[in-house]
Amino acid sequence: AQSVTQLGSHVSVSEGALVLLRCNYSSSVPPYLFWYVQYPNQGLQLLLKYTSAATLVKGINGFEAEFKKSETSFHLTKPSAHMSDAAEYFCAVGGGATNKLIFGTGTLLAVQP
Amino acid sequence: DADVTQTPRNRITKTGKRIMLECSQTKGHDRMYWYRQDPGLGLRLIYYSFDVKDINKGEISDGYSVSRQAQAKFSLSLESAIPNQTALYFCATSGIRSGATGELFFGEGSRLTVL
Repeated sequence: AQSVTQLGSHVSVSEGALVLLRCNYSSSVPPYLFWYVQYPNQGLQLLLKYTSAATLVKGINGFEAEFKKSETSFHLTKPSAHMSDAAEYFCAVGGGATNKLIFGTGTLLAVQP
Repeated sequence: DADVTQTPRNRITKTGKRIMLECSQTKGHDRMYWYRQDPGLGLRLIYYSFDVKDINKGEISDGYSVSRQAQAKFSLSLESAIPNQTALYFCATSGIRSGATGELFFGEGSRLTVL
């Protein structure tokens, strides 16, 4: 079975500050891990994905995430927040025979001027 | 044009009415999914289909049905809508290359309100 836990349903940062969104996963098989972003009134867009290659994954818009097997974590970071980063972020885990994605409950990121 | 198109984008209906949400895709993907999004609950899988003859229930299929009319079309029906089916519904696809990892490509969503 697979599951994802996102710590913090709401995160607020100042413009220019570090963004850190936390994701921990559980998986009985080697996981594939994803971060998706949802801007207001839009669908989900892939930010980045881990598919068992490099453990540090770089995505769009300056985001990156590091797969840490020992900590079962896949936290999302960005060195300097922009106002345009305000959105909801979802972590998801996939892999295994069924090839379904299991999503976390989401983290709403607010960026203060 | 969007690769994954959902219609309608917004719908308000009354309890007991039958509703169909439609999804079409031009990505050539064989796998299609319907998710439901509720605040604080994330996305939950309703149904998924790996090809035209393959339909599978997800974690919250009660009260819903689906039809895979063609490789490119996957519709979701609520036979008798109830207020707790008020939600944002997403269609998603994955293909042979992306399917091995589970990566999904999403439509823009259909917001359904049941009064």
